[in-house]
Amino acid sequence: GIQVEQSPPDLILQEGANSTLRCNFSDSVNNLQWFHQNPWGQLINLFYIPSGTKQNGRLSATTVATERYSLLYISSSQTTDSGVYFCAVERNYQLIWGAGTKLIIKP
Amino acid sequence: GAGVSQSPRYKVTKRGQDVALRCDPISGHVSLYWYRQALGQGPEFLTYFNYEAQQDKSGLPNDRFSAERPEGSISTLTIQRTEQRDSAMYRCASSSGGELFFGEGSRLTVL
Repeated sequence: GIQVEQSPPDLILQEGANSTLRCNFSDSVNNLQWFHQNPWGQLINLFYIPSGTKQNGRLSATTVATERYSLLYISSSQTTDSGVYFCAVERNYQLIWGAGTKLIIKP
Repeated sequence: GAGVSQSPRYKVTKRGQDVALRCDPISGHVSLYWYRQALGQGPEFLTYFNYEAQQDKSGLPNDRFSAERPEGSISTLTIQRTEQRDSAMYRCASSSGGELFFGEGSRLTVL
């Protein structure tokens, strides 16, 4: 089956720093989504991005489907950005999840 | 509705009892998914519906788990004779055209 690898597994930053989270996948996929799970457990859609680049405020994402990776950029991070960031790829309607990147933003 | 709604949000039950978890998807979404998430891990696929048809139930752990979506809208996940290892967050998601939207989840604790 498809393997989804996220890096780094953990990241600790000071407020205001920028970060790049990476998602590699082992085979072609139909779609890719980025999610943020906040410390209260909510799973929030960030981007639905099978290819190309999207931006939403301080967050942006780029997926290069031909090279099988996606990047999530967080700029000027805030403490509310803390949580786990998941990448999930879709193949044949099933979402296959990475293990997540746990991000801690210190004030 | 505006988002995926799940109930109950929290359920504490004794081992051996049956539980039913409900999911009300976003209006018009034809696809509905059930996932289970253990603490610190990504969601684990349980089952998938397209309208009222259960297309894939390969992720259901055993025959104590079942799900239905009789009218192609609201879905119920039922766990019979619950065991402590069933304790987890159960999440429902719906989609129309690919992007999945998750509900708040139902946290099940089996004592």
